[in-house]
Formats: sequence, C-alpha cells, structure tokens
Amino acid sequence: GAVVSQHPSWVICKSGTSVKIECRSLDFQATTMFWYRQFPKQSLMLMATSNEGSKATYEQGVEKDKFLINHASLTLSTLTVTSAHPEDSSFYICSARSGQVFDEQFFGPGTRLTVL
Amino acid sequence: GEDVEQSLFLSVREGDSSVINCTYTDSSSTYLYWYKQEPGAGLQLLTYIFSNMDMKQDQRLTVLLNKKDKHLSLRIADTQTGDSAIYFCAESGGATNKLIFGTGTLLAVQP
Repeated sequence: GAVVSQHPSWVICKSGTSVKIECRSLDFQATTMFWYRQFPKQSLMLMATSNEGSKATYEQGVEKDKFLINHASLTLSTLTVTSAHPEDSSFYICSARSGQVFDEQFFGPGTRLTVL
Repeated sequence: GEDVEQSLFLSVREGDSSVINCTYTDSSSTYLYWYKQEPGAGLQLLTYIFSNMDMKQDQRLTVLLNKKDKHLSLRIADTQTGDSAIYFCAESGGATNKLIFGTGTLLAVQP
C-alpha cells in the first residue's frame, strides 16, 4: 500500500529557532500534500495544501511566514516552523494524495514538536 | 462553514459491538470516511462510503449513512482490545474537496 513517512518523528527545540519537518511519499508520486496540526485530545486542523511546483494554499488564520511549506518534488514536501515559540508545540501530520480516481489521502505517522 | 461532530467517548466490553456516530453539515459531501488513530500515531483509513450509498460492510466494520439527516455511523462487531483508539469521521467534496475531520471519539474497550 501507499506509505508516507515523516522525519523527524519528534523534535525538541529552543524558542526562537526554526524547525524543518519532512514528508515523503515512499512508493507513489504525490500530486498534492497536506499539512495538519493536532492539539492534544483534539481533531486535525488543516494548515495548508501544497501542490508540487507551486505555492502552498494556506487556511484562514495560518501565517504563511511562520509556517513555510515547500513541495519541491512529487515525493517530498517540507514544513518549516520559523522562530518557533511554545504555542507552536503540537503534533504535525502530513498526508499525500496520488491524484488517482478515488481521492484517498495517505497519512504520515506525525511529528511531535515541543518548543521550550 | 462545514462542521463535523462526534461524541467524545465510548466504552464497551470486549466482544460487544461498538457504534460510533457522526453528524455533518455539508450536504455536498462526496465521500465520508472513518479513520483510526492510535496513541502518538498518524491516521489509518478504515473505510469510506460514497455519498450515494446507504450502507457499506467490510469484515467487522459496517458504515451506515443517512444522507437526509446527515448522519454517519461506524459499527464495529466483536470489538477487541486492539480496537481501542480515537476514531475520526471525515468528509470531503464540495467546493474545496478538502478533508474536514470530526472531533474524534475515544473508544475504550474493557477486557
């Protein structure tokens, strides 16, 4: 089946630093990748949609300059949390869509970010 | 905007059936999904149903869709301790075709 990986699986950083999270589709080409954020005991909130080779589309309320998304190839998207603060601590999950007839999204295992 | 609601918690005994309910507001949904999330992990697609279907059965899982009432349910037969997880319903379709997730239901299976 389709596999999506994320790296790192967890990261702890100091306030003010930037953190990059990678999302890779391992055995298929992803025309579209999505980035979600999940707070403890809450649902997933879509942050942005990225299509390969074009700028990401951000959801309302998500700061573009804060959460930089790059989708440089059909198998890799990156999310960079710039100048991280404790309130950015969360579980970040990516998903990838292959663009086949059935519009299934395949989810990565998530990255736990803790900002001290 | 779109809204997807679920009850927060369900506790069942091993071997019993579990029924997790979901209501949604977007009448233009094309697909409705059930995902499972185990602690500290990503989401696993369990099953999905196309909006013009009423029911779908897949081994121990039965999905019922009442489009008139915008109500979706997931029945797990012979619930096992390994079924303990958070279950999210989600819908897609409409103008944006994005996945909109429900609030999640924590299923606790007692041995």
